[in-house]
Amino acid sequence: EVQLLESGGGLVQPGGSLRLSCAASGFSFSGYAMSWVRQAPGKGLEWVSTLSGSGASTYYADSVKGRFTISRDNSENTLYLQMNSLRAEDTAVYYCAKDKKGYNPGGFDYWGQGTLVTVSS
Amino acid sequence: DIQMTQSPSSLSASVGDRVTITCRASQGISNSLAWFQQKPGKAPKSLIYAASSLQSGVPSKFSGSGSGTDFTLTISSLQPEDFATYYCQQYNSYPFTFGPGTKVDVK
Repeated sequence: EVQLLESGGGLVQPGGSLRLSCAASGFSFSGYAMSWVRQAPGKGLEWVSTLSGSGASTYYADSVKGRFTISRDNSENTLYLQMNSLRAEDTAVYYCAKDKKGYNPGGFDYWGQGTLVTVSS
Repeated sequence: DIQMTQSPSSLSASVGDRVTITCRASQGISNSLAWFQQKPGKAPKSLIYAASSLQSGVPSKFSGSGSGTDFTLTISSLQPEDFATYYCQQYNSYPFTFGPGTKVDVK
């Protein structure tokens, strides 16, 4: 059974940093691209970033480029999102999502339960 | 960036109704289109990928169609567990983009 479990969310001041983790199980982690998607309170879904299965290719939304870094540890089956220079508009539930493919996008098939990030003073 | 629109933004329906939601892309995306269902306070659930392929475990009352710029999600006979918000998403090119969602509630 595929499981994705996010952690690391919390309250942080504007300008602060936070690192999210997504622990994966039930599939061959290194074989699949992984993504982060966020949802601000009462709003729709927003794609944040994608990392290929090998870790060689990264993609970011313009809204987070230069501030967020996606990475993975295939030996630990874990996806990360390092978030720096956080802003109030980054407040959201952050979901990790598994792609059906390793490199070329194939669509998300599994999602984690989400972790809430609140940026406020 | 590819813009995704959905119509209607909300709809009211009864159990047993056939429901159709439309999604349109601002440029052609071949069949790189997914549909998700989300209930309040829950994570999204993947329903359909490649415009018309059902994710494993998703009941056949859900179906998708379309290619290029115009797509539809159909629920053949709405059940109580289907009242939710539905999102489309294109993954033809980065940045991936989602539609604004269609909320399906009880008439």
